[in-house]
Amino acid sequence: GAGVSQSPSNKVTEKGKDVELRCDPISGHTALYWYRQSLGQGLEFLIYFQGNSAPDKSGLPSDRFSAERTGESVSTLTIQRTQQEDSAVYLCASSSGQGTNYGYTFGSGTRLTVV
Amino acid sequence: GQSLEQPSEVTAVEGAIVQINCTYQTSGFYGLSWYQQHDGGAPTFLSYNALDGLEETGRFSSFLSRSDSYGYLLLQELQMKDSASYFCALLNYGQNFVFGPGTRLSVLP
Repeated sequence: GAGVSQSPSNKVTEKGKDVELRCDPISGHTALYWYRQSLGQGLEFLIYFQGNSAPDKSGLPSDRFSAERTGESVSTLTIQRTQQEDSAVYLCASSSGQGTNYGYTFGSGTRLTVV
Repeated sequence: GQSLEQPSEVTAVEGAIVQINCTYQTSGFYGLSWYQQHDGGAPTFLSYNALDGLEETGRFSSFLSRSDSYGYLLLQELQMKDSASYFCALLNYGQNFVFGPGTRLSVLP
């Protein structure tokens, strides 16, 4: 597609429920990243995919968080047993990562609210 | 680890020039980037400095000095639409960006 697409755009869930967030990167972008941003804060790195592999999972805050990528395309971020502190905007970005084009293209994010 | 520092807020008037500074601590990195984010919007890529010196892109310029662990974003001929948050970010050897806390720029008429 023309840009990075994320769904849903908004998600309200009850504490303790599982949620799944989806990211469709720009076609041909081999690198895909998940970040989260709390209100008025900076971007916190969660996980990075190169192709379908995740060489760096160091940012996942707990074992309730997991992510996968298939077909070097779509990625899903799953949060199990959601807690109120999981409330944030979850941003996905993709990059071709080739040459000097290191810029990320971000999606519009999924705003997750845990009540 | 890596850490970046930026001023939390900067205010300037329309038509002026403003500089947003970024200092960092790191054991190594590939380059420094800048991103713009309007309220409620996604961050958008502005610039990337792999080498020391100044990179110019229209009204925006970005500077990096590895010896001083310092960079800045320079915005010229400020416009109201430049009111946004600006983030510096280091591209680390793990091939992901580590972002600073962000600087909120307010442009006044």
